[in-house]
Amino acid sequence: NAGVTQTPKFQVLKTGQSMTLQCAQDMNHEYMSWYRQDPGMGLRLIHYSVGAGITDQGEVPNGYNVSRSTTEDFPLRLLSAAPSQTSVYFCASSIERNTEAFFGQGTRLTVV
Amino acid sequence: GIQVEQSPPDLILQEGANSTLRCNFSDSVNNLQWFHQNPWGQLINLFYIPSGTKQNGRLSATTVATERYSLLYISSSQTTDSGVYFCAVERVGYTGGFKTIFGAGTRLFVKA
Repeated sequence: NAGVTQTPKFQVLKTGQSMTLQCAQDMNHEYMSWYRQDPGMGLRLIHYSVGAGITDQGEVPNGYNVSRSTTEDFPLRLLSAAPSQTSVYFCASSIERNTEAFFGQGTRLTVV
Repeated sequence: GIQVEQSPPDLILQEGANSTLRCNFSDSVNNLQWFHQNPWGQLINLFYIPSGTKQNGRLSATTVATERYSLLYISSSQTTDSGVYFCAVERVGYTGGFKTIFGAGTRLFVKA
């Protein structure tokens, strides 16, 4: 059982570069979300999706884009990386809103 | 916006001891979950508990939604319980979307 798979696990970017963090789940979950975790601040919601073709902003969406073309995949795009985006990023999925959430292993991103 | 406060921020236990972690939230919520983040960074859902009491082995949780708090009980603690415990709430936003807000976490270390 793969569950929620995130790639890559580690990434170093230069300021201004763009990249896509991948997230895939094989549980046929409708709801998927992206969080960032910074020291001492817990997790903060970036973007979420309640199903294919539907996305919405979370608490800290600036500098990030998402799309949801399939139920399985929910990529997170950094348009122009900034040092403030250095963080650990987690993808999560659940059957629907307000149900048990399953998290990926995380992507540790450093922007220099 | 809604505030989520967890206490205590740090906790050190001797193996075998019991503990209670608290989560206070400042407004009504649609959902509340407890998560454990192990020392390797993996996030595991412990309880989905918008109200009432649930038990799973040595762990139990109680949410009193009307008084806006939730408690996580750990009995007979083990070294594998070490990590960070997060409380997360969800509520519907003014535009109809919804937000997930995490507390800053309680960092637990269980000594052998």
